[in-house]
Amino acid sequence: DTEVTQTPKHLVMGMTNKKSLKCEQHMGHRAMYWYKQKAKKPPELMFVYSYEKLSINESVPSRFSPECPNSSLLNLHLHALQPEDSALYLCASSQAISGQGAYEQYFGPGTRLTVT
Amino acid sequence: DAKTTQPTSMDCAEGRAANLPCNHSTISGNEYVYWYRQIHSQGPQYIIHGLKNNETNEMASLIITEDRKSSTLILPHATLRDTAVYYCIVSALSRGSQGNLIFGKGTKLSVKP
Repeated sequence: DTEVTQTPKHLVMGMTNKKSLKCEQHMGHRAMYWYKQKAKKPPELMFVYSYEKLSINESVPSRFSPECPNSSLLNLHLHALQPEDSALYLCASSQAISGQGAYEQYFGPGTRLTVT
Repeated sequence: DAKTTQPTSMDCAEGRAANLPCNHSTISGNEYVYWYRQIHSQGPQYIIHGLKNNETNEMASLIITEDRKSSTLILPHATLRDTAVYYCIVSALSRGSQGNLIFGKGTKLSVKP
């Protein structure tokens, strides 16, 4: 099973709402990622979790709050977003990041977020 | 910034081989070359990766030049379902890198009947 699932598929939220995006994988991967993709642009890395600990935050505004409650789940909590945050939010996972080597990432289908 | 250069777009006839080039002239010795593709409105899909040697799997072949400054992804018999944006990425696992993928603009491959 090489599937990464993301829910919901689509989300419309107001600027004062609080919502969460969910990502799940059952491949035994210990690294998980959040990417943001604006229309007609390539994906941009937001956060990296390694062994359930946040290892990289690419200077993402605090209105985005990631959480990794266990090795299979990754959440992205959203609060007080702006219309320019509307984008496709992609989750990915890979084998544990350690030592040298190549680690292909497996992506979910994404959550299409619209902030009104 | 992305460390690769790819053509913006390419066309390929259905059933023919699609050869997608990528320049990575500043690649470091420990960096791998990865290829991903993204079909419209879907998440990126891993295709193949390599370090020095040519690689082949059920999806594609990866040819890396001896100096490692460029590579070519080959889809041997392109189908309409191969229409996608193809990303060539160089990445290394090292302290502070965590195997990050930095996506460039990619090549929009259109497979035509």
